[in-house]
Amino acid sequence: DTEVTQTPKHLVMGMTNKKSLKCEQHMGHRAMYWYKQKAKKPPELMFVYSYEKLSINESVPSRFSPECPNSSLLNLHLHALQPEDSALYLCASSQSKVGQGRLMNTEAFFGQGTRLTVV
Amino acid sequence: TQLLEQSPQFLSIQEGENLTVYCNSSSVFSSLQWYRQEPGEGPVLLVTVVTGGEVKKLKRLTFQFGDARKDSSLHITAAQPGDTGLYLCAGVRGFQKLVFGTGTRLLVSP
Repeated sequence: DTEVTQTPKHLVMGMTNKKSLKCEQHMGHRAMYWYKQKAKKPPELMFVYSYEKLSINESVPSRFSPECPNSSLLNLHLHALQPEDSALYLCASSQSKVGQGRLMNTEAFFGQGTRLTVV
Repeated sequence: TQLLEQSPQFLSIQEGENLTVYCNSSSVFSSLQWYRQEPGEGPVLLVTVVTGGEVKKLKRLTFQFGDARKDSSLHITAAQPGDTGLYLCAGVRGFQKLVFGTGTRLLVSP
């Protein structure tokens, strides 16, 4: 099983709504990521979880709140978003291995993404 | 400053032509990955190159990692319309951050 599954595939929400994006993988990967991708741009890293702990937050606004309940699941909680937050949100996972005395992440496998529209 | 610069940004060619996409950085990477992404979908991993000077082939696609592990190239032979998509190189920075290049949008017309 090399799949990363994201739900929902599409989401339309108002600026006062609270919603959550979900991501699941069963590859035994211990690193999971959230990326944001605007049209015709490369994905931009938002958060990295390593062994269920938040290891990197790329100065993302607090209206985005990640959560990693266990090694297979990753959520992104959304609250009070702005129209400019409309984008494709991608989840990914990768193996972690020890290299050069440090924990290193390897190539990532991506889900199909959630197309988010904030109205 | 973008860590990984790709060129060209956009390429429109006819079916059967050859092309090369470049991914350049001033930083050394332990490995580089190439992904292809179609509209509305997530990136799909094509290959990982690890060793400086390494060449990997995937059917009509040839990937090369620079000797100094700072750059990589993707060569497509006899391009087909099914090759159309956004090609992204990516590398792990600081052991945990997978960062993407600027992207190359390829359009292959029949």
